[in-house]
Amino acid sequence: NAGVTQTPKFRILKIGQSMTLQCTQDMNHNYMYWYRQDPGMGLKLIYYSVGAGITDKGEVPNGYNVSRSTTEDFPLRLELAAPSQTSVYFCASRSRLAGPPYEQYFGPGTRLTVT
Amino acid sequence: QQPVQSPQAVILREGEDAVINCSSSKALYSVHWYRQKHGEAPVFLMILLKGGEQKGHEKISASFNEKRQQSSLYLTASQLSYSGTYFCGMESFLGGTSYGKLTFGQGTILTVHP
Repeated sequence: NAGVTQTPKFRILKIGQSMTLQCTQDMNHNYMYWYRQDPGMGLKLIYYSVGAGITDKGEVPNGYNVSRSTTEDFPLRLELAAPSQTSVYFCASRSRLAGPPYEQYFGPGTRLTVT
Repeated sequence: QQPVQSPQAVILREGEDAVINCSSSKALYSVHWYRQKHGEAPVFLMILLKGGEQKGHEKISASFNEKRQQSSLYLTASQLSYSGTYFCGMESFLGGTSYGKLTFGQGTILTVHP
């Protein structure tokens, strides 16, 4: 199992550009999440999904969009990049089961700089 | 609202103990603890469920006080490998299901010196 994979690892964007951050998991998890982590801070939830075709906003959704056409993939789209979106982005997934395992499995992250 | 962690940073020598606290203003269903090494993804340590017991992971254990909406992480006989940033993630339940959504604290930086 590869677990949760993210691409790219690093990216530099110019203000106003757009890009898609890719996230794929091979654990057949229904629940998937996108977080951003600013320097020295905790993780903030951007969007989440409970299954293919079902997504909802988290704490900080402005400037982002998501889609979930398959169980495996949960891409995050940045439109009109702004310097405030400079951050490390983590994708995570979790089983839908009410019991264990409860943990969220995190991908390695994408470090994004907007200049 | 974001859970509040204290202290913000701890510096230890190998073999010393530490306690990290996390408190929330919301009624909680569960508390998750993660550790993140510099430049890496967070790694799950343990979960404490409402009505559950104190959990342990090697020399790392935690408690959950549901009434006070607080959790504490206990690190005993610290090792160099314990260095990193510790985050609590809190799962609230307002009827229905939370879908496993976590609200994370700001983190506590733990540094263990030889």
